[in-house]
Amino acid sequence: EVQLVESGGGLVQPGGSLRLSCAASGISFRSYWMHWVRQAPGKGLVWVSRINSDGSSISYADSVKGRFTISRDNAKNTLYLQMNSLRAEDTAVYYCADMGFAYWGQGTLVTVSS
Amino acid sequence: DIVMTQSPDSLAVSLGERATISCKSSQSVLYSSNNKNYLSWYQQKPGQPPKLLIYWASTRESGVPDRFSGSASGTDFTLTISSLQPEDVAVYYCQQYYSTPITFGQGTRLEIK
Repeated sequence: EVQLVESGGGLVQPGGSLRLSCAASGISFRSYWMHWVRQAPGKGLVWVSRINSDGSSISYADSVKGRFTISRDNAKNTLYLQMNSLRAEDTAVYYCADMGFAYWGQGTLVTVSS
Repeated sequence: DIVMTQSPDSLAVSLGERATISCKSSQSVLYSSNNKNYLSWYQQKPGQPPKLLIYWASTRESGVPDRFSGSASGTDFTLTISSLQPEDVAVYYCQQYYSTPITFGQGTRLEIK
């Protein structure tokens, strides 16, 4: 059974940092491109970032470029999202998803507020 | 960026009736090398992550009931639920994965009339 489990969310002040993790099991993680997608409360889905299987190719949404960094550790079957300079508008549930968006985690809530 | 526009924003359909959701892309998402439209449909219920229903515009994901179907005509895409069931109440999103940034439609809320 495929499982993607996000962690690391929480309450952070504007300008602060958080690191999200997504632990994968049941898939050949090192072969999969992976994505982060977020959803603000009551709003729609927004793609955040994508990383290829070995981390050599990365893309970001313009809204997070220069502030967020996606990375992965294939030995640990884990995807990461380092989020710096957080803003109120980054408040959302953050999901990790596999390359075809067939598998999603349950999400982790990030709240940016003073 | 490719803009995905769904219509309507909300829809109420009687049980057993057909539900149709439209999605229009601002530019082609058809890859000429493989003749595939890079377009997916998702269903999201409250408190849950999205669920992939359709990919390549018309290929049903494994396990998805056959009352769900997708079609394409140029830059216009349609998700059809042939006979609405109570468990189909959800928000539906289209998504293009032809190019980054990957973009989603704004969502269509489907309810029972």
